[in-house]
Amino acid sequence: NAGVTQTPKFQVLKTGQSMTLQCAQDMNHEYMSWYRQDPGMGLRLIHYSVGAGITDQGEVPNGYNVSRSTTEDFPLRLLSAAPSQTSVYFCASSRTGRYNEQFFGPGTRLTVL
Amino acid sequence: AQTVTQSQPEMSVQEAETVTLSCTYDTSESDYYLFWYKQPPSRQMILVIRQEAYKQQNATENRFSVNFQKAAKSFSLKISDSQLGDAAMYFCASTGGGSQGNLIFGKGTKLSVKP
Repeated sequence: NAGVTQTPKFQVLKTGQSMTLQCAQDMNHEYMSWYRQDPGMGLRLIHYSVGAGITDQGEVPNGYNVSRSTTEDFPLRLLSAAPSQTSVYFCASSRTGRYNEQFFGPGTRLTVL
Repeated sequence: AQTVTQSQPEMSVQEAETVTLSCTYDTSESDYYLFWYKQPPSRQMILVIRQEAYKQQNATENRFSVNFQKAAKSFSLKISDSQLGDAAMYFCASTGGGSQGNLIFGKGTKLSVKP
């Protein structure tokens, strides 16, 4: 099992550009989520999904879109990047239910100039 | 809103000694889970220990143990026999509202281990 994979590991964007952060898991987990990590802020939930076709907003959803067409993939889209979106992004997955361990991907470091 | 507070931005411990990292949380739920995650310089988030709120017994995992005080909403992590490899950021987290797996994280404590 590869676990949770994220691509790319690093990305530099210019303000206004769009991009998609990829996340995939091979553990057949129904629950997937995206967090962002900023210095001194811990991790904050952006969006999450409890299964294919079902997504919902977390604490900081503005500026991000998600979709979940398959169980395995949960991409995060930035439609028009802003410097405030400079951060490290983590994808996580788990079996459904909030009592199950979440498995995190290695993270993507995004810089918006 | 649910919150998780880590009041120690940085801590330092001598190798082989014991250190305790503090965490307090605020939740209106009666059933919840608490976690400690370790983030080494590699950036990977690693689950260290998990505590179920309805269990009174404190969780332990080898050199890691917690002191769970439910009434005080306190969840501290004790690391015994500290090793150089324990140097990392440590995050306390709580399950959020609803039936999903959403986590609420504290801001983290950076632990240094001195040889």
